[in-house]
Amino acid sequence: EVQLLESGGTLVQPGGSLRLSCAASGFTFSSYAMTWVRQAPGQGLEWVSVISGSGDSTYYADSVKGRFTISRDNSKNTLYLQLNSLRAEDTAAYYCARKYSGFDYWGQGTLLTVSS
Amino acid sequence: EIVLTQSPGTLSLSPGERATLSCRASQNINSIYFAWYQQKPGQAPRLLIYGVSRRATGIPDRFSGSGSGTDFTLTISRLEPEDFAVYYCQQYGSSPFTFGPGTKVDFK
Repeated sequence: EVQLLESGGTLVQPGGSLRLSCAASGFTFSSYAMTWVRQAPGQGLEWVSVISGSGDSTYYADSVKGRFTISRDNSKNTLYLQLNSLRAEDTAAYYCARKYSGFDYWGQGTLLTVSS
Repeated sequence: EIVLTQSPGTLSLSPGERATLSCRASQNINSIYFAWYQQKPGQAPRLLIYGVSRRATGIPDRFSGSGSGTDFTLTISRLEPEDFAVYYCQQYGSSPFTFGPGTKVDFK
């Protein structure tokens, strides 16, 4: 059974940093691209970033480019998102998802609140 | 960036009725990389349809997708009580991957 479990969400002050993690199980992690999607309270889905299975290729939404870094450790079956220079508008639930035919499996999300 | 527009914003229907949801793209999309998701309150999104018309694992056949180019449709043939939710279209072939703003299907 495919499982994705995010962690790391918390309350952070504007300008702060944080790393989110997504632990994967039930599939060959290194064979799949992985992605982060976020959802601000009461709002729609916003794609954040994607990373290839090997980790060699990454892409970002313009809203996070230069501030967020996606990475993965295939030996630990874990996906990461490093978030720097956080802003109030980064407040959201952050979901990791497996990218295959669509985003076919999702975690339950981790909540980040950016506020002073 | 490919912008996706969904209509209507809200669809008020009764169980047993047919739901037709539309998604329009600002430029042509490779159909291989077009999907629909369902999201219920407090839950993660769930993949319904990928490649325009292919149902994801475990999705009942009352859900169907169609379309090409810039115009796509999700049809729910007969609404079940568990189908009342928000539905998002998405393109994932060209970065930045984008979602539509969503269509809420609620009880009439």
